Amino acid sequence: DTAVSQTPKYLVTQMGNDKSIKCEQNLGHDTMYWYKQDSKKFLKIMFSYNNKELIINETVPNRFSPKSPDKAHLNLHINSLELGDSAVYFCASSQTLAGDKNIQYFGAGTRLSVL
Amino acid sequence: AQTVTQSQPEMSVQEAETVTLSCTYDTSESDYYLFWYKQPPSRQMILVIRQEAYKQQNATENRFSVNFQKAAKSFSLKISDSQLGDAAMYFCAYRSAVMGGGSNYKLTFGKGTLLTVNP
Repeated sequence: DTAVSQTPKYLVTQMGNDKSIKCEQNLGHDTMYWYKQDSKKFLKIMFSYNNKELIINETVPNRFSPKSPDKAHLNLHINSLELGDSAVYFCASSQTLAGDKNIQYFGAGTRLSVL
Repeated sequence: AQTVTQSQPEMSVQEAETVTLSCTYDTSESDYYLFWYKQPPSRQMILVIRQEAYKQQNATENRFSVNFQKAAKSFSLKISDSQLGDAAMYFCAYRSAVMGGGSNYKLTFGKGTLLTVNP
């Protein structure tokens, strides 16, 4: 059973389109994250939700809108896609309590290619 | 803001040999966590090892161990008896242990070190 699952794994689309990436975790965690990995493999936080509440919103264009219907799901919707949005997007989850439960577990990533 | 620096973009090692990957970080906090993640060609991010800053003892997981030097803000990863399956991109990451404040929960990554294992 996959702990953190993202769909789709690959997404190819045209500039200007709107697309969504879905993420689900079955670990019972209360915090979920979206990270972006650029073409140079650099990973950077975009958003985080804790119990459906937005707690991290880094300097991301407002074309990106995360949505968390419940604490097991965190989706990422991107409007008006641009060439620079091409990247691998990773979902992750963790339990916010201190101690051993603060490890972030990652999904397999979604490779987005904007043409 | 915290920063993480990996000064070796690429490293190579012979199978069965030992290799050390470097990581330094900058923070004004006294309590935090440090991680090494592995990203093989499959793209999956896999946790290799974790260290709590308040623990003086270096973390060890089978063939993987760290050399944590808190005063020097250094956190290197040693891979012993390297195997072909160890070939991957390795990322060092920092996370604050300060509770409260959403930004404290994020991982701050270094730029990664690409490890090649030669047969």
